[in-house]
Amino acid sequence: QLVLTQSPSASASLGASVKLTCTLSSGHSSYAIAWLQQQPEKGPRYLMKLNSDGSHSKGDGIPDRFSGSSSGAERYLTISSLQSEDEADYYCQTWGSGIWFGGGTKLTVL
Amino acid sequence: QVRLVQSGSELKKPGASVKVSCKASGYIFTHYAMNWVRQAPGQGLEWMGWINTNTGNPTYAQGFTGRFVFSLDTSVSTAYLQIGSLKAEDTAVYYCARDQAAGYHDAFDIWGQGTMVTVSS
Repeated sequence: QLVLTQSPSASASLGASVKLTCTLSSGHSSYAIAWLQQQPEKGPRYLMKLNSDGSHSKGDGIPDRFSGSSSGAERYLTISSLQSEDEADYYCQTWGSGIWFGGGTKLTVL
Repeated sequence: QVRLVQSGSELKKPGASVKVSCKASGYIFTHYAMNWVRQAPGQGLEWMGWINTNTGNPTYAQGFTGRFVFSLDTSVSTAYLQIGSLKAEDTAVYYCARDQAAGYHDAFDIWGQGTMVTVSS
């Protein structure tokens, strides 16, 4: 059973960095994922596709402040130089015979 | 520019049906699969299934069989989601999302703005 696990919430100060985690369930550590951002009252926005080796390809117009990395079954999204507009829900998504989403992490910028 | 534009909000009574449209522009419609995703109020994202834009063949995720129908009009690069026999628990925002691949799954790189469907008597 493929499951993506995310912490429900995270917070960091304006101008600081934050690292969000998406964990793939046992036996699925080779899966690529995508990171999505959903700002309040908006639809999701594709940030990047992140492979198990840490290589990633970002969507058009995604700032360099957003980067991805991987370690084992963990997939990370790092946002540096946090801005107020980064306050959003962040979801991870993966795919295979179907599509799976993580539960999302609500990021608060202090 | 590549975009998906969805139809506007709907307010429906229980038992009615609704049809949501998703018009694609800026790319060749049949080169990418189209997916539908539901987001209930205050909840996360839930995949409903997808439609092969080449063949028109739909695939429904568990929990979305029977009352849900995916269709296409490739002449106007538009995908549709129809929900029949609406229930209060169908109240949600519905998103269309483009798959990066054509006949198999990959990341969803383009999303519509969402269509709010409210079911209330």
